[in-house]
Amino acid sequence: DAGITQSPRHKVTETGTPVTLRCHQTENHRYMYWYRQDPGHGLRLIHYSYGVKDTDKGEVSDGYSVSRSKTEDFLLTLESATSSQTSVYFCAISPGTAAGRDTQYFGPGTRLTVL
Amino acid sequence: GQNIDQPTEMTATEGAIVQINCTYQTSGFNGLFWYQQHAGEAPTFLSYNVLDGLEEKGRFSSFLSRSKGYSYLLLKELQMKDSASYLCAVNTGGFKTIFGAGTRLFVKA
Repeated sequence: DAGITQSPRHKVTETGTPVTLRCHQTENHRYMYWYRQDPGHGLRLIHYSYGVKDTDKGEVSDGYSVSRSKTEDFLLTLESATSSQTSVYFCAISPGTAAGRDTQYFGPGTRLTVL
Repeated sequence: GQNIDQPTEMTATEGAIVQINCTYQTSGFNGLFWYQQHAGEAPTFLSYNVLDGLEEKGRFSSFLSRSKGYSYLLLKELQMKDSASYLCAVNTGGFKTIFGAGTRLFVKA
């Protein structure tokens, strides 16, 4: 299994508070991704990174920001959490060596509840 | 727009064969993935198709028809542990992949 961890694994917070989720990898993979997974929607890309300090938006990026200051860490921040951001968040990594067939490896997920 | 369709749920019997279909309409196509996801766990890679035809890997096979925008995942000799969600995903270009909502498979004894 790819060495990828997420923290925290579970979090309950209140509307309006900032929240930061961390993804850490030990595989030295170039690409890192943040997805959210909601019933009926599948996995939706929030942001991704293709290198240190290089990030781009996905399809559901509003209300989220990311940072990648080291190859191994990719942070997802909810500046002011809302109830619509209650979800399961998955981080994924991929080697970035073969566009099109780059397999993604997923972390264990973070279950976030915004009250 | 981008769209991937899969049945929401399927039920099959232990020892049987089940086929999970996936149709897609995307702005680009660089390959199709199938992932397995057990309840409460992370998705894990099952298969990848980029050319038309069948790819076989043990009890699992995946088929692709690019002209029809169609793929299926075939699971043979079903086991109880195959009860999971199966996600169809399309790489639309570069390193961007979009996922279907998944098919939840129930295997009954």
